[in-house]
Amino acid sequence: AQSVTQLDSHVSVSEGTPVLLRCNYSSSYSPSLFWYVQHPNKGLQLLLKYTSAATLVKGINGFEAEFKKSETSFHLTKPSAHMSDAAEYFCVVSDQAGGYNKLIFGAGTRLAVHP
Amino acid sequence: GAVVSQHPSRVICKSGTSVKIECRSLDFQATTMFWYRQFPKKSLMLMATSNEGSKATYEQGVEKDKFLINHASLTLSTLTVTSAHPEDSSFYICSAKVRRILSGEQFFGPGTRLTVL
Repeated sequence: AQSVTQLDSHVSVSEGTPVLLRCNYSSSYSPSLFWYVQHPNKGLQLLLKYTSAATLVKGINGFEAEFKKSETSFHLTKPSAHMSDAAEYFCVVSDQAGGYNKLIFGAGTRLAVHP
Repeated sequence: GAVVSQHPSRVICKSGTSVKIECRSLDFQATTMFWYRQFPKKSLMLMATSNEGSKATYEQGVEKDKFLINHASLTLSTLTVTSAHPEDSSFYICSAKVRRILSGEQFFGPGTRLTVL
């Protein structure tokens, strides 16, 4: 079965410094992986997705993630944090069992950005 | 493209009443729609999966008689919380999937905040 582990429940950075949100996955076959962002009381917005093409995936708002099969990781990075990046981030793997393509969510990482 | 709307965005009701939440795909046909529940500061929990014209598939532990799902068309799914109680208060989020997108990517609605008094 697929699973996702987000290694940090909270990450705090200063504005202008790099962001690293860590995610490890478990999958019995080649997975599809996603990062979604959720601002307070809002729905989810897709940041980026990996679907077995390039291992370095670029997303919106300057975020990118690298798929590392040997480490079963899909960490999210951004070179320079902005105040507007403060939100909840979810690492997600697609579970294709049953043909319904369920999404399996990590527990989430809350990113705080300080001036 | 790929916009999903939910209505209402916020609802307050009395205990014992029923509440209906609508989820619409505005610019595409959604072959499958999903309903999630999110508790404060928690991750999303999948409640059920529905395909147009067929019965919803509920996740283990979700009461199908409590949470009625109807997926009458390729652009509309509804979730009805029957005989709501305070413990049903939560943030409900729907999402939609297009068959041609093989990655399993889902497009999410903005969510509905339900408060049961």
